[in-house]
Amino acid sequence: DSGVTQTPKHLITATGQRVTLRCSPRSGDLSVYWYQQSLDQGLQFLIQYYNGEERAKGNILERFSAQQFPDLHSELNLSSLELGDSALYFCASSLGLAGVGEQYFGPGTRLTVT
Amino acid sequence: LAKTTQPISMDSYEGQEVNITCSHNNIATNDYITWYQQFPSQGPRFIIQGYKTKVTNEVASLFIPADRKSSTLSLPRVSLSDTAVYYCLVGDRGSGTYKYIFGTGTRLKVLA
Repeated sequence: DSGVTQTPKHLITATGQRVTLRCSPRSGDLSVYWYQQSLDQGLQFLIQYYNGEERAKGNILERFSAQQFPDLHSELNLSSLELGDSALYFCASSLGLAGVGEQYFGPGTRLTVT
Repeated sequence: LAKTTQPISMDSYEGQEVNITCSHNNIATNDYITWYQQFPSQGPRFIIQGYKTKVTNEVASLFIPADRKSSTLSLPRVSLSDTAVYYCLVGDRGSGTYKYIFGTGTRLKVLA
């Protein structure tokens, strides 16, 4: 158990809908990262927040947005969902900023868009 | 943008040493190279991290040449439970903004 929690574990929704994925980091960790894992794209970095501020950004679609709240939990919002958004979404956390230090990954949320 | 490439798959027998290489041609100057292990339907799990030369912990060694454009994860005496996908992770500042780049992943199968 990494100490990172993600809810829900599974999500099935229809195209065009909007969903919110939730992540609680390990106690004491200030950074939260979001990744998408699909069969054809591998593990793709979406975005990182550190203590409430956006610090790094990957190839995150404009239909996706995220935020980190004062209690350090984070939410990833996915809107106007398409079939291709079906994937495993992982949240990770770490104590510090970029580059140094282990990222602890949550169990993931499996999103299925039908 | 950093391209991190790894062999797609490797087979090994129990008890052998396995070396998996990752090529990262545009790693950020001050960043570490990190390796993760992933089992099906689970999040990646940290194995080892290094900046240069050699790092060893209780489960693996990591070799990084001076130019840091590649790294090699070494797993001594693998067992069946080491069957998993292995990823390298590096930081990239090439496009002006910082981002994390996972390697393409190497599927290791350990045979009895």
